[in-house]
Amino acid sequence: DGGITQSPKYLFRKEGQNVTLSCEQNLNHDAMYWYRQDPGQGLRLIYYSQIVNDFQKGDIAEGYSVSREKKESFPLTVTSAQKNPTAFYLCASSPAGLAGSYEQYFGPGTRLTVT
Amino acid sequence: KQEVTQIPAALSVPEGENLVLNCSFTDSAIYNLQWFRQDPGKGLTSLLLIQSSQREQTSGRLNASLDKSSGRSTLYIAASQPGDSATYLCAVLPLKTSGSRLTFGEGTQLTVNP
Repeated sequence: DGGITQSPKYLFRKEGQNVTLSCEQNLNHDAMYWYRQDPGQGLRLIYYSQIVNDFQKGDIAEGYSVSREKKESFPLTVTSAQKNPTAFYLCASSPAGLAGSYEQYFGPGTRLTVT
Repeated sequence: KQEVTQIPAALSVPEGENLVLNCSFTDSAIYNLQWFRQDPGKGLTSLLLIQSSQREQTSGRLNASLDKSSGRSTLYIAASQPGDSATYLCAVLPLKTSGSRLTFGEGTQLTVNP
């Protein structure tokens, strides 16, 4: 089955630790995205990548880092510099790297809790 | 800056009712508008994508319309069922964007009562 997988589903970390969230897609999509979802707020874009070895900051990139070494993988690291890391993290992908009329497809999400 | 608003924030209806969810956006310069469904604790499932040149899209009991000039979209759900209970999100892809960055509304939480 084609799709986007995110792991783990739930993640618990102590404050001050870095943590990496996995996102893999087998849809052969060029573009991949990371969003954060908080209660009462819409989805906010953290980072996006239009092509391998290239990525751009979204609206709330501070305290996060990413890499795009392979087309199918776009891991997100939540660093200790992120002040409020507890949230639901969603990974997405779309066929086109440049702005165009393509659907975005989402993974099942990772819920991160930092105490 | 593009802003997307969804009203109402929550809606509760009896099973079998036809209903309309609303989405408005401030800048009509968009590539497309996408409707998603989100179940509690889950990711987003794409329901319908309307290109800027289209007026509506249909899938089963769902029909989405787009009026770009007035900055509005509606999602019509016919003969609602308890399984339709979820949060429905709309998102636009602005023309003035890089990297296909969607702008999301905060969603309408729908409950369909048996």
